[in-house]
Amino acid sequence: SQKIEQNSEALNIQEGKTATLTCNYTNYSPAYLQWYRQDPGRGPVFLLLIRENEKEKRKERLKVTFDTTLKQSLFHITASQPADSATYLCALDYPSGTYKYIFGTGTRLKVLA
Amino acid sequence: NAGVTQTPKFQVLKTGQSMTLQCAQDMNHNSMYWYRQDPGMGLRLIYYSASEGTTDKGEVPNGYNVSRLNKREFSLRLESAAPSQTSVYFCASTEAVWDNSPLHFGNGTRLTVT
Repeated sequence: SQKIEQNSEALNIQEGKTATLTCNYTNYSPAYLQWYRQDPGRGPVFLLLIRENEKEKRKERLKVTFDTTLKQSLFHITASQPADSATYLCALDYPSGTYKYIFGTGTRLKVLA
Repeated sequence: NAGVTQTPKFQVLKTGQSMTLQCAQDMNHNSMYWYRQDPGMGLRLIYYSASEGTTDKGEVPNGYNVSRLNKREFSLRLESAAPSQTSVYFCASTEAVWDNSPLHFGNGTRLTVT
């Protein structure tokens, strides 16, 4: 069965450093991979989407990579700020090419001032 | 422009009671979703509606029913609530026209079943 894995342990980093979060998946080839941010008590908010034929996508301080051979996406936040502290979720279209999405469990990021 | 609106925000039920969670979106989106979020389990898809008049089961549909009343509204019904249904429920929608079609979420309904 399809499974998405994200680091369940919280990630603590110092302000100004680059945060790198990992999303791994198994048993399947998605057409798209999305990243969302979720703050406590709120619904997730979309950040970036990357397609299977794209290696990298950037938006301001955010960068996403997609390695379909390794079945892995990396999400980077450069020059991190305390305001970046949140839980970050990855999502895949499942079945591939549809608008049904399944989510990983999320990684909680804390940026220390 | 409110986006995705969920009601109620909080609810406490006794085992065996029924209730309907309401969701409405004002973005003219085609597809709508119900997810539940539990600690350590992430977001799990309960039901999905690709368009008005269609619904499809997700990962965890047992114990739930849905109605896509019109393009704007998608409701989730618990006929006989169980403690295992204690969770935070999120409704989402997407345009589902282009391939860059992100989900827009409401802020959730926090349900406790005692």
